[in-house]
Amino acid sequence: QKEVEQNSGPLSVPEGAIASLNCTYSDRGSQSFFWYRQYSGKSPELIMFIYSNGDKEDGRFTAQLNKASQYVSLLIRDSQPSDSATYLCAVFANRDDKIIFGKGTRLHILP
Amino acid sequence: EPEVTQTPSHQVTQMGQEVILRCVPISNHLYFYWYRQILGQKVEFLVSFYNNEISEKSEIFDDQFSVERPDGSNFTLKIRSTKLEDSAMYFCASSEGNRLSEQYFGPGTRLTVT
Repeated sequence: QKEVEQNSGPLSVPEGAIASLNCTYSDRGSQSFFWYRQYSGKSPELIMFIYSNGDKEDGRFTAQLNKASQYVSLLIRDSQPSDSATYLCAVFANRDDKIIFGKGTRLHILP
Repeated sequence: EPEVTQTPSHQVTQMGQEVILRCVPISNHLYFYWYRQILGQKVEFLVSFYNNEISEKSEIFDDQFSVERPDGSNFTLKIRSTKLEDSAMYFCASSEGNRLSEQYFGPGTRLTVT
């Protein structure tokens, strides 16, 4: 059974600080990785997409991928109250044409 | 900015009835997906669709479910005989390619089966 694991939280971070969200996956052959943000009652919104080892930066967001450790993370710099949401890690399964989601980490930015 | 759209936003139906959920993927995208999310639970893959055929489906996607691309723009999910446990948010998503492409979600349809 291919799994994507995330700490459910809530993760509380002061406004302006760096929020660090982590995700591990079981399928070593997984090829691409997604971070989605989901506000309550809304659909997942794509924040970052990464498929090469290392860091990828987009504005305040940095995704980090380590395929050897089967680990992907998301850093949010200068956290804002509007960043408070559930962050979903998702992995494109190897040899299957589908994305597997983690249960998500609830992030709460403290004003 | 192009986006995935879905209709209706909310559908209420009685158990045993058929429902059709509609999606318009982003226009230059070739891969289409349906996911569902039961309240409080994680997003679950249902089916992927490419080149007018199903490329992958989950164990949830049984004979009660079907998908269709009836024309060049719409992508539909049909549930033939709804059950109470089909109540969930249903999300359509699309991408240009598959494994190495960003996948964008629509706003979802909330299905309530009574």
